Amino acid sequence: AQSVSQHNHHVILSEAASLELGCNYSYGGTVNLFWYVQYPGQHLQLLLKYFSGDPLVKGIKGFEAEFIKSKFSFNLRKPSVQWSDTAEYFCAVNAKTSYDKVIFGPGTSLSVIP
Amino acid sequence: DAGVIQSPRHEVTEMGQEVTLRCKPISGHNSLFWYRQTMMRGLELLIYFNNNVPIDDSGMPEDRFSAKMPNASFSTLKIQPSEPRDSAVYFCASSTGGGTLNTEAFFGQGTRLTVV
Repeated sequence: AQSVSQHNHHVILSEAASLELGCNYSYGGTVNLFWYVQYPGQHLQLLLKYFSGDPLVKGIKGFEAEFIKSKFSFNLRKPSVQWSDTAEYFCAVNAKTSYDKVIFGPGTSLSVIP
Repeated sequence: DAGVIQSPRHEVTEMGQEVTLRCKPISGHNSLFWYRQTMMRGLELLIYFNNNVPIDDSGMPEDRFSAKMPNASFSTLKIQPSEPRDSAVYFCASSTGGGTLNTEAFFGQGTRLTVV
């Protein structure tokens, strides 16, 4: 069965600081990987996704993530965070099988201090 | 497209009452997911459908929960009888799944359920 772990439960940064959120998954086969963001009181929105090809993927709002297959990792990065990045971030995975059950990690709460 | 549409947005009900949550997936999507989000347990996948057929309902917490998808454009999640511990935000999501290997899930706005 697939599972996703996220390294940090809560991260607090000052504006302009660099961000890296860790994500590891467990599944022996080929996977699709996602990062979703949930702003306070809102629904989940896709930040970026990896299906195949270049392991460094770029998403919206200056976010990027790198897939390292040997480490089963898909860490999210942003060089300079803004107050508006305050949100909950979820890493997710689904196996490349006929049925695309998407499993989410527990989430990392990011607070950016102005 | 209007995206995934859920109703109601908020529901407050008394313990023991039946609650029905509704979802309209994005047109053309053939996979539909119901998730529950709580502070304690995060995002839990309750059930998912492909082409209106329930594929995996192992996340449904107990028999009080049931879900149906009578057609490609509508799904319901029912709790009967409801209990205070069912209070959560329930999200519906859809995707172009089922044989399409590269898919992403699109989420609705959620239904915030409070059982008092």
